[in-house]
Amino acid sequence: ETGVTQSPTHLIKTRGQQVTLRCSSQSGHNTVSWYQQALGQGPQFIFQYYREEENGRGNFPPRFSGLQFPNYSSELNVNALELDDSALYLCASSDASGNWDEQFFGPGTRLTVL
Amino acid sequence: DQQVKQNSPSLSVQEGRISILNCDYTNSMFDYFLWYKKYPAEGPTFLISISSIKDKNEDGRFTVFLNKSAKHLSLHSVPSQPGDSAVYFCAASVVLRNDMRFGAGTRLTVKP
Repeated sequence: ETGVTQSPTHLIKTRGQQVTLRCSSQSGHNTVSWYQQALGQGPQFIFQYYREEENGRGNFPPRFSGLQFPNYSSELNVNALELDDSALYLCASSDASGNWDEQFFGPGTRLTVL
Repeated sequence: DQQVKQNSPSLSVQEGRISILNCDYTNSMFDYFLWYKKYPAEGPTFLISISSIKDKNEDGRFTVFLNKSAKHLSLHSVPSQPGDSAVYFCAASVVLRNDMRFGAGTRLTVKP
């Protein structure tokens, strides 16, 4: 059984560009949540996908969007990057929406916006 | 809006002693609380949780206490071990809503 994996590990972009981050869920998990963790802060909930549908969203603008695929892997897309988007982006998968005890996190993608 | 607060950025304890991490929240709608541990270059890992219908939950060396009237929870671990050195995040959720709010974390150092 493989854990949650994320790619790439690190990424550098310039302001105004677009970025796509990827997440492979743990085997058997149908729910993925994405978080943004700025330096010195805790993770902030971006949104959750359950069986390919958005199932909850935090206080992030529409330029943050996502997809979940039939194999339950997921993408986070950010358009028109801003300097403040520099952060560690974490994804977490679980076998059911709201099953927080069984939410497993990936190691994250470190995004730097210059 | 910082609805979950961990006011101590760091804590240092001696191996074998008790460590107590604190967390405060402002949203009375929160009904499920969790603690996560995070090592460098890894994602957070679930440690222990508590529902708002309880005031205490134990799992091995770890106990979480919830004081709803004070909107405060704490994580006790005894005896502390060097492997416990990590950043600990407190998190809270409203079960009927699919999001979770995290505190900023407390870095625990357990000294041998």
